[in-house]
Amino acid sequence: DTAVSQTPKYLVTQMGNDKSIKCEQNLGHDTMYWYKQDSKKFLKIMFSYNNKELIINETVPNRFSPKSPDKAHLNLHINSLELGDSAVYFCASSQDDSGNTIYFGEGSWLTVV
Amino acid sequence: GENVEQHPSTLSVQEGDSAVIKCTYSDSASNYFPWYKQELGKRPQLIIDIRSNVGEKKDQRIAVTLNKTAKHFSLHITETQPEDSAVYFCAASLGYGGATNKLIFGTGTLLAVQP
Repeated sequence: DTAVSQTPKYLVTQMGNDKSIKCEQNLGHDTMYWYKQDSKKFLKIMFSYNNKELIINETVPNRFSPKSPDKAHLNLHINSLELGDSAVYFCASSQDDSGNTIYFGEGSWLTVV
Repeated sequence: GENVEQHPSTLSVQEGDSAVIKCTYSDSASNYFPWYKQELGKRPQLIIDIRSNVGEKKDQRIAVTLNKTAKHFSLHITETQPEDSAVYFCAASLGYGGATNKLIFGTGTLLAVQP
């Protein structure tokens, strides 16, 4: 009964491939996020959706395309993977986008070789 | 946009000692300041947060102080234990809805508590 769950947990893939990470939250939250944590542990927001609507899109390459079919799900598709995309991708959610607690998923470890 | 600086990047203390981590932020409109703890290989988890209408908040061995004039806030951990060893992140946001509201994280502090 994990609150924010994402799959897969580990993903090793070759450069140039396309991959997706899925995320679901069962907290009834309105807002969902994707964060990227690089090898130096820096946590940076990539996207934020509120009630299925994109509200934050940080200067992320357009190879990254989020999709929110409903407010409980936020998926991340990455095209033409590059070595620099290797990182941990965290999905997260919050009650709304008004500065409430953000709950993170377990993370998806992506390694591009 | 908001910028959050965090110091120190690493901190080693003896078990039972206190640990203090400091953060500064740039946007004076920010009014929500959470602290997250991330153990090795795990997700970041909220340990305490503070809003701009208070100057201090305490939860058992953890306390956070906020100085809005100086735009800095600090995490204080007393009587540290080995299980406190982790990476700690501060963060700041505007605390209201809209495209400008996003949680900006500091660069993290690796806390090592030596038994």
